[in-house]
Amino acid sequence: AQSVTQLGSHVSVSEGALVLLRCNYSSSVPPYLFWYVQYPNQGLQLLLKYTSAATLVKGINGFEAEFKKSETSFHLTKPSAHMSDAAEYFCAVMDPSAGKSTFGDGTTLTVKP
Amino acid sequence: DVKVTQSSRYLVKRTGEKVFLECVQDMDHENMFWYRQDPGLGLRLIYFSYDVKMKEKGDIPEGYSVSREKKERFSLILESASTNQTSMYLCASSVQALYGYTFGSGTRLTVV
Repeated sequence: AQSVTQLGSHVSVSEGALVLLRCNYSSSVPPYLFWYVQYPNQGLQLLLKYTSAATLVKGINGFEAEFKKSETSFHLTKPSAHMSDAAEYFCAVMDPSAGKSTFGDGTTLTVKP
Repeated sequence: DVKVTQSSRYLVKRTGEKVFLECVQDMDHENMFWYRQDPGLGLRLIYFSYDVKMKEKGDIPEGYSVSREKKERFSLILESASTNQTSMYLCASSVQALYGYTFGSGTRLTVV
């Protein structure tokens, strides 16, 4: 069984500030972990992924995430927020042998000018 | 780039109608998935398929069925639409687990 908890359904930051979106997971096997972004009225787009190689992974648009096994976390960060980062972000955990993902409830990021 | 196309962006159907949501991908992916997305609930898996004519139930299959007659097409069927099936429906495909999913743009279904 696997599950994902995203802490904070809404996060608001000022333009240029650090973005930190939190994700904790539960999995009975070593998981794959993903972050997706969804802009209004669109599907989800893959931001980055952890698949058991480097624990610090870099994605598109300047985002990165660090896999911490001891904390069962996979938090998403970006050093400096841009207005275009305003969107909803989803963390997902996958059992590699099953190939299907379980998603968190999502975090809506607002970026203030 | 892989493209996943969902045939309709918006649909309005009446209670009791049989509804077909179509999804087509153009990169020969074996794996296809249907999720529904509701505010505050994230994405919930309805059905998935690892191969032609193969289907597996996800977490919330009740009231839905699927069809995969060809590798590129995965259809979601609402046998008798109800108002609690009003939602955003997202189709996704993948070639291998480690690559994650490619999503379609979604179909926003309203059942009245």
